[in-house]
Amino acid sequence: DTGVSQNPRHKITKRGQNVTFRCDPISEHNRLYWYRQTLGQGPEFLTYFQNEAQLEKSRLLSDRFSAERPKGSFSTLEIQRTEQGDSAMYLCASSGITTDSTEAFFGQGTRLTVV
Amino acid sequence: KNEVEQSPQNLTAQEGEFITINCSYSVGISALHWLQQHPGGGIVSLFMLSSGKKKHGRLIATINIQEKHSSLHITASHPRDSAVYICAVRGVSNFGNEKLTFGTGTRLTIIP
Repeated sequence: DTGVSQNPRHKITKRGQNVTFRCDPISEHNRLYWYRQTLGQGPEFLTYFQNEAQLEKSRLLSDRFSAERPKGSFSTLEIQRTEQGDSAMYLCASSGITTDSTEAFFGQGTRLTVV
Repeated sequence: KNEVEQSPQNLTAQEGEFITINCSYSVGISALHWLQQHPGGGIVSLFMLSSGKKKHGRLIATINIQEKHSSLHITASHPRDSAVYICAVRGVSNFGNEKLTFGTGTRLTIIP
Protein backbone atom coordinates (compact mmCIF):
# COMPACT_ATOMS: atom_id res chain seq x y z
CA ASP A 1 0.00 0.00 0.00
CA THR A 2 1.48 3.34 -1.02
CA GLY A 3 -0.57 5.47 1.33
CA VAL A 4 -3.32 7.93 0.51
CA SER A 5 -3.35 8.85 -3.16
CA GLN A 6 -4.99 11.92 -4.68
CA ASN A 7 -5.52 12.78 -8.34
CA PRO A 8 -4.91 15.04 -10.03
CA ARG A 9 -2.10 16.80 -8.17
CA HIS A 10 -2.82 20.08 -9.93
CA LYS A 11 -5.89 21.39 -11.72
CA ILE A 12 -6.30 24.71 -13.48
CA THR A 13 -9.82 25.48 -14.61
CA LYS A 14 -11.82 28.39 -15.90
CA ARG A 15 -14.42 29.97 -13.69
CA GLY A 16 -17.77 28.30 -14.16
CA GLN A 17 -16.40 24.89 -15.09
CA ASN A 18 -16.97 21.73 -13.07
CA VAL A 19 -14.05 19.82 -11.56
CA THR A 20 -13.78 16.43 -9.88
CA PHE A 21 -11.01 15.18 -7.62
CA ARG A 22 -10.34 11.63 -6.52
CA CYS A 23 -8.95 10.21 -3.30
CA ASP A 24 -7.84 6.61 -2.79
CA PRO A 25 -7.39 6.01 0.95
CA ILE A 26 -5.26 3.35 2.59
CA SER A 27 -7.13 0.17 1.76
CA GLU A 28 -8.13 -0.98 5.23
CA HIS A 29 -9.19 2.48 6.44
CA ASN A 30 -12.92 3.01 6.85
CA ARG A 31 -12.78 6.72 7.74
CA LEU A 32 -12.14 9.31 5.06
CA TYR A 33 -11.93 13.09 5.39
CA TRP A 34 -11.75 15.97 2.95
CA TYR A 35 -10.09 19.23 4.02
CA ARG A 36 -9.47 22.50 2.20
CA GLN A 37 -6.39 24.64 2.73
CA THR A 38 -6.03 28.18 1.44
CA LEU A 39 -2.71 29.98 1.20
CA GLY A 40 -1.12 30.70 4.56
CA GLN A 41 -3.84 28.94 6.51
CA GLY A 42 -4.22 25.57 8.15
CA PRO A 43 -6.57 23.04 6.57
CA GLU A 44 -10.30 23.26 7.32
CA PHE A 45 -12.68 20.32 7.58
CA LEU A 46 -15.10 19.82 4.69
CA THR A 47 -16.68 16.39 5.06
CA TYR A 48 -16.35 12.94 6.65
CA PHE A 49 -17.22 9.44 5.46
CA GLN A 50 -17.40 6.28 7.47
CA ASN A 51 -17.39 3.51 4.90
CA GLU A 52 -19.81 4.73 2.19
CA ALA A 53 -21.90 6.92 4.49
CA GLN A 54 -21.30 10.67 4.50
CA LEU A 55 -21.90 11.43 8.16
CA GLU A 56 -20.89 15.04 8.50
CA LYS A 57 -20.54 18.07 6.25
CA SER A 58 -19.08 21.43 7.13
CA ARG A 59 -21.03 24.60 6.45
CA LEU A 60 -18.06 25.43 4.20
CA LEU A 61 -19.40 22.82 1.80
CA SER A 62 -21.83 24.84 -0.27
CA ASP A 63 -24.45 23.41 -2.61
CA ARG A 64 -21.90 23.52 -5.43
CA PHE A 65 -19.80 20.92 -3.64
CA SER A 66 -20.65 17.23 -3.53
CA ALA A 67 -18.66 14.30 -2.25
CA GLU A 68 -19.24 10.60 -2.65
CA ARG A 69 -17.68 7.36 -1.54
CA PRO A 70 -19.84 4.87 -3.41
CA LYS A 71 -18.30 1.57 -2.34
CA GLY A 72 -16.61 2.69 0.83
CA SER A 73 -13.24 2.75 -0.90
CA PHE A 74 -12.22 5.70 -3.08
CA SER A 75 -13.95 9.06 -2.78
CA THR A 76 -14.65 11.88 -5.21
CA LEU A 77 -15.13 15.57 -4.52
CA GLU A 78 -16.91 17.55 -7.23
CA ILE A 79 -17.16 21.31 -7.45
CA GLN A 80 -19.75 22.67 -9.84
CA ARG A 81 -19.63 26.14 -11.40
CA THR A 82 -16.23 26.88 -9.91
CA GLU A 83 -15.49 30.33 -8.53
CA GLN A 84 -12.14 32.02 -7.94
CA GLY A 85 -12.66 31.64 -4.21
CA ASP A 86 -12.56 27.87 -4.66
CA SER A 87 -8.84 28.08 -5.44
CA ALA A 88 -7.16 26.09 -2.70
CA MET A 89 -5.39 22.85 -1.85
CA TYR A 90 -7.88 20.03 -1.32
CA LEU A 91 -6.54 17.40 1.05
CA CYS A 92 -7.81 13.91 1.71
CA ALA A 93 -7.01 11.93 4.84
CA SER A 94 -7.95 8.46 6.02
CA SER A 95 -7.79 6.65 9.32
CA GLY A 96 -8.21 3.16 10.63
CA ILE A 97 -10.97 0.80 11.57
CA THR A 98 -10.65 0.81 15.33
CA THR A 99 -10.89 3.64 17.80
CA ASP A 100 -7.22 3.04 18.60
CA SER A 101 -6.17 3.47 14.99
CA THR A 102 -7.04 7.07 14.56
CA GLU A 103 -3.78 8.53 13.44
CA ALA A 104 -4.58 10.35 10.23
CA PHE A 105 -2.73 9.72 7.00
CA PHE A 106 -2.83 12.47 4.39
CA GLY A 107 -2.58 12.49 0.64
CA GLN A 108 -0.40 14.91 -1.31
CA GLY A 109 -3.40 17.08 -2.07
CA THR A 110 -4.94 18.49 -5.23
CA ARG A 111 -4.11 22.12 -5.86
CA LEU A 112 -6.98 23.85 -7.65
CA THR A 113 -6.53 27.15 -9.44
CA VAL A 114 -9.63 28.82 -10.84
CA VAL A 115 -8.84 31.49 -13.43
CA LYS B 1 -10.09 33.72 18.44
CA ASN B 2 -9.02 30.50 16.70
CA GLU B 3 -9.55 27.27 18.57
CA VAL B 4 -5.91 26.33 17.91
CA GLU B 5 -3.17 28.95 18.17
CA GLN B 6 0.44 28.41 17.22
CA SER B 7 3.52 30.47 17.89
CA PRO B 8 5.66 31.69 16.38
CA GLN B 9 4.17 32.05 12.90
CA ASN B 10 7.62 32.18 11.36
CA LEU B 11 10.94 31.04 12.75
CA THR B 12 14.39 31.30 11.21
CA ALA B 13 17.34 29.67 12.97
CA GLN B 14 20.89 28.59 12.33
CA GLU B 15 21.72 24.95 11.74
CA GLY B 16 22.27 23.17 15.05
CA GLU B 17 19.98 25.37 17.13
CA PHE B 18 17.32 23.95 19.45
CA ILE B 19 13.86 24.76 18.11
CA THR B 20 10.60 25.09 20.04
CA ILE B 21 7.16 25.57 18.49
CA ASN B 22 4.17 26.11 20.73
CA CYS B 23 0.49 25.26 20.38
CA SER B 24 -2.41 26.30 22.60
CA TYR B 25 -5.99 25.18 22.18
CA SER B 26 -9.26 26.22 23.72
CA VAL B 27 -11.49 23.17 23.26
CA GLY B 28 -11.70 19.74 24.82
CA ILE B 29 -9.70 17.24 22.83
CA SER B 30 -9.12 13.52 22.62
CA ALA B 31 -5.71 13.87 20.98
CA LEU B 32 -3.30 16.37 19.48
CA HIS B 33 -1.30 15.91 16.30
CA TRP B 34 1.89 17.52 15.14
CA LEU B 35 2.17 17.51 11.36
CA GLN B 36 4.84 18.54 8.89
CA GLN B 37 4.03 20.08 5.52
CA HIS B 38 6.62 20.62 2.82
CA PRO B 39 6.24 22.88 -0.23
CA GLY B 40 3.95 21.09 -2.66
CA GLY B 41 1.40 20.34 0.01
CA GLY B 42 1.85 16.83 1.32
CA ILE B 43 1.28 16.47 5.07
CA VAL B 44 3.12 13.95 7.19
CA SER B 45 2.02 13.06 10.69
CA LEU B 46 4.89 13.40 13.17
CA PHE B 47 3.18 12.67 16.46
CA MET B 48 -0.21 11.93 17.93
CA LEU B 49 -0.40 12.71 21.67
CA SER B 50 -3.03 12.43 24.32
CA SER B 51 -0.74 12.88 27.32
CA GLY B 52 2.88 13.25 28.37
CA LYS B 53 5.75 13.20 25.94
CA LYS B 54 6.86 11.39 22.81
CA LYS B 55 10.25 11.30 21.12
CA HIS B 56 11.24 10.27 17.63
CA GLY B 57 14.80 10.87 16.60
CA ARG B 58 15.56 14.57 17.02
CA LEU B 59 11.91 15.44 17.51
CA ILE B 60 10.19 15.66 20.88
CA ALA B 61 6.55 16.51 21.50
CA THR B 62 4.97 17.27 24.86
CA ILE B 63 1.44 18.02 25.94
CA ASN B 64 -0.06 19.46 29.12
CA ILE B 65 -3.77 18.63 29.09
CA GLN B 66 -4.59 20.82 32.11
CA GLU B 67 -2.96 23.87 30.55
CA LYS B 68 -4.20 23.00 27.01
CA HIS B 69 -0.73 23.45 25.63
CA SER B 70 1.68 21.43 23.55
CA SER B 71 5.22 22.00 22.32
CA LEU B 72 7.26 20.52 19.51
CA HIS B 73 11.02 20.58 19.95
CA ILE B 74 13.70 19.88 17.37
CA THR B 75 17.21 19.24 18.62
CA ALA B 76 20.31 19.83 16.47
CA SER B 77 18.22 21.41 13.73
CA HIS B 78 19.17 20.82 10.10
CA PRO B 79 18.23 22.59 6.85
CA ARG B 80 16.12 19.56 5.86
CA ASP B 81 13.88 20.35 8.87
CA SER B 82 12.74 23.47 7.01
CA ALA B 83 8.99 23.08 6.55
CA VAL B 84 5.67 24.24 7.94
CA TYR B 85 4.79 22.57 11.23
CA ILE B 86 1.11 22.36 12.02
CA CYS B 87 -0.63 21.57 15.28
CA ALA B 88 -4.05 19.93 14.99
CA VAL B 89 -6.47 18.78 17.65
CA ARG B 90 -8.94 15.94 17.51
CA GLY B 91 -12.20 16.71 19.28
CA VAL B 92 -14.81 14.50 20.81
CA SER B 93 -16.34 12.61 17.95
CA ASN B 94 -19.81 12.57 16.46
CA PHE B 95 -20.60 9.40 14.54
CA GLY B 96 -16.97 8.36 14.93
CA ASN B 97 -15.92 11.56 13.17
CA GLU B 98 -12.52 12.42 14.53
CA LYS B 99 -11.96 15.44 12.33
CA LEU B 100 -8.99 17.63 13.03
CA THR B 101 -9.02 21.34 13.79
CA PHE B 102 -5.77 22.88 12.62
CA GLY B 103 -3.59 25.77 13.65
CA THR B 104 -2.27 28.06 10.94
CA GLY B 105 1.18 26.55 11.09
CA THR B 106 4.72 27.66 11.90
CA ARG B 107 7.04 28.19 8.96
CA LEU B 108 10.51 27.02 10.03
CA THR B 109 13.62 27.90 8.04
CA ILE B 110 16.98 26.48 9.08
CA ILE B 111 19.97 28.28 7.61
CA PRO B 112 23.16 26.27 6.98
